[in-house]
Amino acid sequence: DAKTTQPTSMDCAEGRAANLPCNHSTISGNEYVYWYRQIHSQGPQYIIHGLKNNETNEMASLIITEDRKSSTLILPHATLRDTAVYYCIVRFAQGGSEKLVFGKGTKLTVNP
Amino acid sequence: GAVVSQHPSWVICKSGTSVKIECRSLDFQATTMFWYRQFPKQSLMLMATSNEGSKATYEQGVEKDKFLINHASLTLSTLTVTSAHPEDSSFYICSAPRVVTGADTQYFGPGTRLTVL
Repeated sequence: DAKTTQPTSMDCAEGRAANLPCNHSTISGNEYVYWYRQIHSQGPQYIIHGLKNNETNEMASLIITEDRKSSTLILPHATLRDTAVYYCIVRFAQGGSEKLVFGKGTKLTVNP
Repeated sequence: GAVVSQHPSWVICKSGTSVKIECRSLDFQATTMFWYRQFPKQSLMLMATSNEGSKATYEQGVEKDKFLINHASLTLSTLTVTSAHPEDSSFYICSAPRVVTGADTQYFGPGTRLTVL
């Protein structure tokens, strides 16, 4: 079972920041938070991951609360191409053999 | 980022035939790969873990004799759907983890859409 809770859907205006929340209240100390997205009829795309500190890359920023029980993915300037289902996943991440368990994710719709 | 390919991207077959789907990691090696299945309007469901040089590990409820997995090399895993039936029609996706210092990252293939008539 997925260990995260996300809103079913969200809307965002093009050009504005999209803030996608995720609750993971049972996360353990050495589990990472991963974010993926899936555009319709494509394989999931890796976005970002983090353990404790906030992270930023060319796609997004990840803000993790100090108690690590929740996080927020931020797309700073959403475009129409960011419309997708966004998945927040927690997992151990050492060695490559740990599977990803997908929940239902958040369907983000970016409107013109 | 790392690239994972799948072949074919779509396939249509008759009921009772077998279909093979290939998953390749193009610029890195993967001792483990994962196979997922996704039905319309649903999330990805893990089917099995493919292990190079050993038997695959199947999730509960997935028939190992129906979904044959072979991890022939460090860059190739294949999923064969044997005696396919219409209920096997789905979107099949593979992933491979790339391990760097710290946490590994899993990269996904583009998926294979299987339609069984």
